[in-house]
Amino acid sequence: DAGVIQSPRHEVTEMGQEVTLRCKPISGHDYLFWYRQTMMRGLELLIYFNNNVPIDDSGMPEDRFSAKMPNASFSTLKIQPSEPRDSAVYFCASSARTGLSVGHNEQFFGPGTRLTVL
Amino acid sequence: RKEVEQDPGPFNVPEGATVAFNCTYSNSASQSFFWYRQDCRKEPKLLMSVYSSGNEDGRFTAQLNRASQYISLLIRDSKLSDSATYLCVVNIGSGGYQKVTFGTGTKLQVIP
Repeated sequence: DAGVIQSPRHEVTEMGQEVTLRCKPISGHDYLFWYRQTMMRGLELLIYFNNNVPIDDSGMPEDRFSAKMPNASFSTLKIQPSEPRDSAVYFCASSARTGLSVGHNEQFFGPGTRLTVL
Repeated sequence: RKEVEQDPGPFNVPEGATVAFNCTYSNSASQSFFWYRQDCRKEPKLLMSVYSSGNEDGRFTAQLNRASQYISLLIRDSKLSDSATYLCVVNIGSGGYQKVTFGTGTKLQVIP
């Protein structure tokens, strides 16, 4: 089975440019998470969706960041305009509610997108 | 105070040694706890959940202390392949809502 798919795997762009990161969750999973990882701050939850609806976006750093999930098999994270401090690895993860408390559900991570903003 | 705190390490231990990591959390409403493992330049992967009664999976033992608000991970008979960063995860969730917080990780290096 295919795991979580992210594209691109690497992105190098210049300050001020728009960046779009893409994620395809595991089929049948109804939760999708976007994370950002840096050496200084570790892994930070940016936003998560349940059944394509954004539930908590309190981790989105500022208005330059936006995320969408138009259907169950696709999500995007957009940064416009990008800044050097946005350089990080961005992970997408998905999970499925199993009937237990949702907090027990394993999150499956994609390979990440390594973003460098010059 | 950070919601989830871990000693960043690195912990350098010889093969065969026993090593333990702790992770403290600040929110007493936290409901579920996990350890994830992350290899260098790879994505995190679930290592094990942490149950109130403690649980064991082979050489790995996880424990939860709600009174003191910490979880621990014990690795016995360390292998070279155990070298990785271990992330503590705390979840506050009910119904369809969950707030997931990762610690910054503890780096383990097992030395031949």
